[in-house]
Amino acid sequence: AQKITQTQPGMFVQEKEAVTLDCTYDTSDPSYGLFWYKQPSSGEMIFLIYQGSYDQQNATEGRYSLNFQKARKSANLVISASQLGDSAMYFCAMREVGAGSYQLTFGKGTKLSVIP
Amino acid sequence: ETGVTQTPRHLVMGMTNKKSLKCEQHLGHNAMYWYKQSAKKPLELMFVYNFKEQTENNSVPSRFSPECPNSSHLFLHLHTLQPEDSALYLCASSQTSGGDYNEQFFGPGTRLTVL
Repeated sequence: AQKITQTQPGMFVQEKEAVTLDCTYDTSDPSYGLFWYKQPSSGEMIFLIYQGSYDQQNATEGRYSLNFQKARKSANLVISASQLGDSAMYFCAMREVGAGSYQLTFGKGTKLSVIP
Repeated sequence: ETGVTQTPRHLVMGMTNKKSLKCEQHLGHNAMYWYKQSAKKPLELMFVYNFKEQTENNSVPSRFSPECPNSSHLFLHLHTLQPEDSALYLCASSQTSGGDYNEQFFGPGTRLTVL
């Protein structure tokens, strides 16, 4: 079974609108961390936001927020006031702390296109 | 230089060539990683080094040989590669001070084409 599932291969959003990118995860480890990365066409992976499994509140970083629903095992990324520069691939990733590994498991990604 | 740098940015090689990819991190981290990103597939972790010691090898073929001489430098030596090894190879680094955070910082990647 896939540990990280991103069901939207591609998304379009109008500039200045908000958009939600979906991510569901699968783990039996009670301690884990969830990450979102942005990958522009240049190739570099850029860290956006992090949510720990024990965090009580949803993470926020500027225009990025994470809608964390632990019981449903979802960690959706919300981008508010979309900008043209937000057009990129977005990856959800998870680290299972209890496994003692530093490995990040990534989803297949969602390609976001912002329309002027 | 800041962050994580990778050289070369682009590499074209034949199946009989031997080449090396280089990664350097300027962040004072103690862990370094190699990832492979193929078209339409999730990023695949290849190797993890923590304090210069290899801690993870995700069943990577022996034609890929990593080397970590110190916590700041990581190499990936390539020999007798196959066309299906063509991909973007990303290097990353992080702290491993415990806890669930340990954000990984990525380099710009090396776009490898095997002819």
